[in-house]
Amino acid sequence: DQQVKQNSPSLSVQEGRISILNCDYTNSMFDYFLWYKKYPAEGPTFLISISSIKDKNEDGRFTVFLNKSAKHLSLHIVPSQPGDSAVYFCAARWEYGNKLVFGAGTILRVKS
Amino acid sequence: KAGVTQTPRYLIKTRGQQVTLSCSPISGHRSVSWYQQTPGQGLQFLFEYFSETQRNKGNFPGRFSGRQFSNSRSEMNVSTLELGDSALYLCASSLDAGGSEAFFGQGTRLTVV
Repeated sequence: DQQVKQNSPSLSVQEGRISILNCDYTNSMFDYFLWYKKYPAEGPTFLISISSIKDKNEDGRFTVFLNKSAKHLSLHIVPSQPGDSAVYFCAARWEYGNKLVFGAGTILRVKS
Repeated sequence: KAGVTQTPRYLIKTRGQQVTLSCSPISGHRSVSWYQQTPGQGLQFLFEYFSETQRNKGNFPGRFSGRQFSNSRSEMNVSTLELGDSALYLCASSLDAGGSEAFFGQGTRLTVV
């Protein structure tokens, strides 16, 4: 039962353009959402997060949007850079504790 | 400030053996969680420890166990290894019991032959 879904296995974007990565979830008990970036053979690196009481959080080139009614969140990267090429994971956290439920990941390729 | 340290980075074991992996969280962090990453299953939650107590457990067999010490360092143990246990095992460190971001170590790549 996949509670967090990233339906696009991969995304290819031109350098300088916007990258939009999407994530859907099914469990309304999730209260916190995070995005991680991962390179092969390394641990995920925390990018940005959003609480369920907000609908937008911005940090530099990264913005996360949350639509609770649709149980959908997205990560916008503007402008995209070749160094952004990696696997991006969406994760959701239960109301209690630090257990994270991850999506399957989206491979982002930024072409120069 | 040092990040999350996992040892060893790479490990090769044979079926039936047991293995212990170690994780040192970020200084001051009291919560440690463990995840298994495989190509087919993605990142799967194993368990979480806070103040030496297991708070959450994922859907893994009893062969997978863990513990946390008073200095917040954590170990996870897998007994009677199976080929399917080959994976990247990741440890995540969080400041407190909830409401904070999780920071990951580089992982331990376990290969079971």
